[in-house]
Amino acid sequence: ETGVTQSPTHLIKTRGQQVTLRCSSQSGHNTVSWYQQALGQGPQFIFQYYREEENGRGNFPPRFSGLQFPNYSSELNVNALELDDSALYLCASSPPADGRAYEQYFGPGTRLTVT
Amino acid sequence: AQSVTQPDIHITVSEGASLELRCNYSYGATPYLFWYVQSPGQGLQLLLKYFSGDTLVQGIKGFEAEFKRSQSSFNLRKPSVHWSDAAEYFCAVVSPNRDDKIIFGKGTRLHILP
Repeated sequence: ETGVTQSPTHLIKTRGQQVTLRCSSQSGHNTVSWYQQALGQGPQFIFQYYREEENGRGNFPPRFSGLQFPNYSSELNVNALELDDSALYLCASSPPADGRAYEQYFGPGTRLTVT
Repeated sequence: AQSVTQPDIHITVSEGASLELRCNYSYGATPYLFWYVQSPGQGLQLLLKYFSGDTLVQGIKGFEAEFKRSQSSFNLRKPSVHWSDAAEYFCAVVSPNRDDKIIFGKGTRLHILP
């Protein structure tokens, strides 16, 4: 069974640029959530995708957007990058709703540095 | 507002000693509760979860946690720590059927003395 994978591992961007991060969910999981983890902080919920539609969003501006594909993989897009966007971005997948929908299985993350 | 508090930013224990990491939450009803562990440069791994039922839950790697409704707490324990337990530990809660957003605490960094 393949776990959650994310790409790239590390990324350096310049302020104002755009970035796309990718996530492949664990086999059998149909829900994907994205989190931002700043240095020394806990993960903060960005949004969740279920059946290719956004299914909940945290307190992040519209320049954070996402997609989920039919194979349940997902992308996180961030436009107009700001220095404060520097963080570890975590993707997590969840199994179908049967009492386990809240179990989150995390990928290793993408470290984004904005200069 | 819903919140999760992990009062200890850092904790240091000797290898073989017992461990308790504290977690308090502020919710209108009993939420679902989780503990995750994050090793340096890694994603988060689920240690254990509480949805309902027995308030003492067993997890992986010898960890357990006890839900205490009266104290709004969900503390993580381990009878004897190993050097490999050095990591960051996060408590998380979700209010099911409300907004379903998972809220994480700020984490507790565990250091192990040889």
